Amino acid sequence: NAGVTQTPKFQVLKTGQSMTLQCAQDMNHNSMYWYRQDPGMGLRLIYYSASEGTTDKGEVPNGYNVSRLNKREFSLRLESAAPSQTSVYFCASTLPGNSNQPQHFGDGTRLSIL
Amino acid sequence: AQSVTQLGSHVSVSEGALVLLRCNYSSSVPPYLFWYVQYPNQGLQLLLKYTTGATLVKGINGFEAEFKKSETSFHLTKPSAHMSDAAEYFCAVSESNYGQNFVFGPGTRLSVLP
Repeated sequence: NAGVTQTPKFQVLKTGQSMTLQCAQDMNHNSMYWYRQDPGMGLRLIYYSASEGTTDKGEVPNGYNVSRLNKREFSLRLESAAPSQTSVYFCASTLPGNSNQPQHFGDGTRLSIL
Repeated sequence: AQSVTQLGSHVSVSEGALVLLRCNYSSSVPPYLFWYVQYPNQGLQLLLKYTTGATLVKGINGFEAEFKKSETSFHLTKPSAHMSDAAEYFCAVSESNYGQNFVFGPGTRLSVLP
């Protein structure tokens, strides 16, 4: 009964380092999302994937890349981390027929860039 | 483009008192409206949603919300607050069931006092 699993839960990086945030869902959902959450700003969409093999930019894609490896997995990569990318990152997925409505969220990755 | 405002970044109520969290939206077409709850160190959970039909929507944990087109509002209520309701609540709006046009409000933190 895992739902959406994100790894790691916490990470501290230095400016300029790279890393990949992993996300996997076991509900056979087509659509998956990456959001960032900053105080007072709600959640903002970074990238989403409507189905395996497709990805699209959201509201704040700069500085990020994504990869929809297969139906289960959707990873987010920071190529050269910047302090402005300090945030809590959430992966989400949704049922078919509700393709822009995130329904199941992971517990988040808390990322600090020094 | 659609947008969401939530009046009050922090609301405090006494246990047993009425909970009222305010949400106003702007949309150029009939909207889809949502409320999510986020408990500490967790992802968001869908509380309830309005798509079409009955304007009073009931959700989980005793919450309900009413869509009022004339007021462009979708306020969340619960008759009697419980300590376990302490969390952050996000209103969201979408103009369709597809695409990137799903927008979260900034959130309201609910505290429940004993």
